[in-house]
Amino acid sequence: EDKVVQSPLSLVVHEGDTVTLNCSYEVTNFRSLLWYKQEKKAPTFLFMLTSSGIEKKSGRLSSILDKKELFSILNITATQTGDSAVYLCALRQGAQKLVFGQGTRLTINP
Amino acid sequence: DVKVTQSSRYLVKRTGEKVFLECVQDMDHENMFWYRQDPGLGLRLIYFSYDVKMKEKGDIPEGYSVSREKKERFSLILESASTNQTSMYLCASTPGFNDGYTFGSGTRLTVV
Repeated sequence: EDKVVQSPLSLVVHEGDTVTLNCSYEVTNFRSLLWYKQEKKAPTFLFMLTSSGIEKKSGRLSSILDKKELFSILNITATQTGDSAVYLCALRQGAQKLVFGQGTRLTINP
Repeated sequence: DVKVTQSSRYLVKRTGEKVFLECVQDMDHENMFWYRQDPGLGLRLIYFSYDVKMKEKGDIPEGYSVSREKKERFSLILESASTNQTSMYLCASTPGFNDGYTFGSGTRLTVV
């Protein structure tokens, strides 16, 4: 069975810290890997990664995919309380289907 | 701004009731999806549709059906609601293979 595993499941840090969220997978064939941020409502799109080794960056957030070792990481530097959310990793397979991990609940304390 | 709208934010239904969850997108997207989200399990795909009147089962279709009569609307139907269907339901749409999903705000359904 194809699987997407995120770690840690929960993380609590202080404002200003840097965090690294992990997403490992056993999916045999996929088009892209996506990261989402979910606060109280709808998940919002962060990154889509298709190629190994190419970092995507948006402000304090960055992400990279390693297709050889079968994982992706999401980095957040200089964290703020507004970064508190559940972060979701998902793999896009054929026919548009997304397979999600369990999510990482990140809490940033002031 | 593109939108996926789910008609209800919170719903409480009784066991055995027929429940309709509605989702409308205004982006002319071909593909629409229904997921449920439960603690510790992440998002799991129930059904998806890649065209009007077309539907495909996802990973957990049992106890659910869907309807897509118009391109912009994708309905999830619980034929006879049960307590194990208490969950957050998320609708999403996407135009094609190289695009991210746009999610609705979710419907939190409680079956009592």
